[in-house]
Amino acid sequence: GQNIDQPTEMTATEGAIVQINCTYQTSGFNGLFWYQQHAGEAPTFLSYNVLDGLEEKGRFSSFLSRSKGYSYLLLKELQMKDSASYLCAVLDSNYQLIWGAGTKLIIKP
Amino acid sequence: DTEVTQTPKHLVMGMTNKKSLKCEQHMGHRAMYWYKQKAKKPPELMFVYSYEKLSINESVPSRFSPECPNSSLLNLHLHALQPEDSALYLCASSQDRGGPYEQYFGPGTRLTVT
Repeated sequence: GQNIDQPTEMTATEGAIVQINCTYQTSGFNGLFWYQQHAGEAPTFLSYNVLDGLEEKGRFSSFLSRSKGYSYLLLKELQMKDSASYLCAVLDSNYQLIWGAGTKLIIKP
Repeated sequence: DTEVTQTPKHLVMGMTNKKSLKCEQHMGHRAMYWYKQKAKKPPELMFVYSYEKLSINESVPSRFSPECPNSSLLNLHLHALQPEDSALYLCASSQDRGGPYEQYFGPGTRLTVT
């Protein structure tokens, strides 16, 4: 079967750094996406990784290890507006997105 | 223009009503998607259109009927829905279906079935 695991909820402090992990077992792999979703709103694209390594984009970075079936999203200099759910999604061999359940990130002052 | 628009934003309908959700994109994308999302759950794929043809139907009940009138528009016709169909309905588009293309999501329609 296909499975994507991420923590249900995390809490962090404003200005700090947080790492959200994602592990996956899917039928084939054509890349991994991270999306941000604020409550009641649509998901917005954050990053795409298909090769091993770290991709940095401003305060957000995403890492992939294909051999370990593992990715993480790193958020630096946390702001209150970063409070949201973060969804990990894998593109399988049929180019279909398999979604994780999402990690709710709570930022405290 | 990287926007996907959806109308209406909110919809309340009875179980005997017929209504339609609309989605539009002007990015020249050739793949369009309908998702259903319940609270605290990830989006659940319902339908995929590729080059205006239905390519995926994820065993969705026939009370949901998709339509793609042209490459920019996607409709979802609703009829005889059940209260458990209440959810956020998201439309998305991507450059193509068979490749590593990010999906752009519309703001969604919050549907309540009474």
